[in-house]
Amino acid sequence: NAGVTQTPKFRILKIGQSMTLQCTQDMNHNYMYWYRQDPGMGLKLIYYSVGAGITDKGEVPNGYNVSRSTTEDFPLRLELAAPSQTSVYFCASTQETGAYGYTFGSGTRLTVV
Amino acid sequence: QKEVEQDPGPLSVPEGAIVSLNCTYSNSAFQYFMWYRQYSRKGPELLMYTYSSGNKEDGRFTAQVDKSSKYISLFIRDSQPSDSATYLCAPSSGTYKYIFGTGTRLKVLA
Repeated sequence: NAGVTQTPKFRILKIGQSMTLQCTQDMNHNYMYWYRQDPGMGLKLIYYSVGAGITDKGEVPNGYNVSRSTTEDFPLRLELAAPSQTSVYFCASTQETGAYGYTFGSGTRLTVV
Repeated sequence: QKEVEQDPGPLSVPEGAIVSLNCTYSNSAFQYFMWYRQYSRKGPELLMYTYSSGNKEDGRFTAQVDKSSKYISLFIRDSQPSDSATYLCAPSSGTYKYIFGTGTRLKVLA
């Protein structure tokens, strides 16, 4: 039972490069989320999805894009990477609204140089 | 005013101590209250979940919610070095989005 799987675990990007952070869950959860975590700043919501084909912006969406073609997968795309996108990225999923908490992946540590 | 506030710590205690971790929040619509534990370089994991006001106990951990004062607490009894982590509170109004506190870093010294 894998839960939420994120790849890669680490990545160094040069300014202006693009990449996709992968997130897969095997719990048949409808709700999926992308957060970034910066030191002392807590978790900031980037994008979320309430089901396949439905996505919406969170608190800090600029510079990112997402898609949700299947229930299992929720990739996060970084276009034209900037140093401000250096962060740890977490994908999470949950079964229903409100009452069950999130299951988080182990994170992707991204450095943009 | 932030929706959820936590003292970032670090909070250092000796092994065996009782630890009190706290959050305050401003949105009176919050009714689900979660505590997550995050070890260094790992993702957060759900530790405790409480609905509305009151206490909930799970082993050495007790979660307490006082909705009248918008105050959330997590108590850890007989703290262990393995409890050293960052603890995040996350209240919710019941929608699919949680608001996370910035976390309190706890160090339990052997």
